[in-house]
Amino acid sequence: AQTVTQSQPEMSVQEAETVTLSCTYDTSENNYYLFWYKQPPSRQMILVIRQEAYKQQNATENRFSVNFQKAAKSFSLKISDSQLGDTAMYFCAFTGLSGAGSYQLTFGKGTKLSVIP
Amino acid sequence: DTEVTQTPKHLVMGMTNKKSLKCEQHMGHRAMYWYKQKAKKPPELMFVYSYEKLSINESVPSRFSPECPNSSLLNLHLHALQPEDSALYLCASSQDGRGWVSPLHFGNGTRLTVT
Repeated sequence: AQTVTQSQPEMSVQEAETVTLSCTYDTSENNYYLFWYKQPPSRQMILVIRQEAYKQQNATENRFSVNFQKAAKSFSLKISDSQLGDTAMYFCAFTGLSGAGSYQLTFGKGTKLSVIP
Repeated sequence: DTEVTQTPKHLVMGMTNKKSLKCEQHMGHRAMYWYKQKAKKPPELMFVYSYEKLSINESVPSRFSPECPNSSLLNLHLHALQPEDSALYLCASSQDGRGWVSPLHFGNGTRLTVT
């Protein structure tokens, strides 16, 4: 079974600063995808960024980038130039490519990020 | 604007009521999902429909009954719910059932309160 751990229940950052959210996971699979989803107060879960495990290059999407360390099973999210609209709950998630769990996202418990003006 | 539309946004129902949650997408996605999310918790998968066929039922009580009339619509029929079923119910869709290839698009959810 896969597990996803987010050790920071809450974080805050000053507007325009950089913040890193941590995520570790455990799996016996070799091929998988990792995701960061954002859930603002509007409640909609929005995909922030996706990383394919077989790609060594870290994924980036504008101000969002990840530090993917496969051997350490670590997948942190860096938000640069933080904006007020980044205030949200951030969930790290995992999907394996094999077995019955291949349809499923395994989520971490989330990190509540507050961007302070 | 969300591309997955859920109605209603809020629902209050008694334990003897029958109600339905609706979800609609017009992105041509062939997989649709129901998740349940309690406050300050991650979403929990309930059901997956792939090509309009139920492919996953995560041991959900029979008082929750999903229905996929066509590839664009997904319903969740509710009957004889318990107060502990109060939660945010999220619908999602993806291009196909391979969630790793085609990431999920979520709706804004229905906030359900059972009294």
